[in-house]
Amino acid sequence: ETGVTQSPTHLIKTRGQQVTLRCSSQSGHNTVSWYQQALGQGPQFIFQYYREEENGRGNFPPRFSGLQFPNYSSELNVNALELDDSALYLCASSWGGAGETQYFGPGTRLLVL
Amino acid sequence: KNEVEQSPQNLTAQEGEFITINCSYSVGISALHWLQQHPGGGIVSLFMLSSGKKKHGRLIATINIQEKHSSLHITASHPRDSAVYICAVRIRGNQFYFGTGTSLTVIP
Repeated sequence: ETGVTQSPTHLIKTRGQQVTLRCSSQSGHNTVSWYQQALGQGPQFIFQYYREEENGRGNFPPRFSGLQFPNYSSELNVNALELDDSALYLCASSWGGAGETQYFGPGTRLLVL
Repeated sequence: KNEVEQSPQNLTAQEGEFITINCSYSVGISALHWLQQHPGGGIVSLFMLSSGKKKHGRLIATINIQEKHSSLHITASHPRDSAVYICAVRIRGNQFYFGTGTSLTVIP
């Protein structure tokens, strides 16, 4: 049991809508990273938050945004959903930045119709 | 071209066999991670390497920074090792690149 939880587990949205995904990090961890994994592909790095500040970003458009709260939980927001946003969204927590071992949540499976 | 390439893509082994999964990367990295993903999505971090070799139980991971190559070895493989194994590299700016994974099936 890693202690990293994500909600919701599954979600269906339509094109153009907005979605918020949530992640609670493992106790004691101050860093959260978000990943998108399309079916049959490896995960792709979206961004990382460290102590409530964005600490690195992958090649995702600005409609992908995030937040980290004082308790180090995090949200991933996606605006103007596109069909290609359908994927498994994973968050991972760690202590002290991405160089440390990451503990992954179970993921949120998003389907955009 | 992917920054991280893994081989093989798929691997089937008999229980007890020694397994090697390879990862090559084309960028300068600060660390390399090996991850295990089970059906349904759950990911477990196996190793984080920046040099040399690490061992945990039946798993061994090595990295050669000069050759930009890492290997994950499983000794005495078992059906419960069946999963997708993913290599991920961390570069400057805390960005990660992932391989597409190696799907391992261990047959009893």
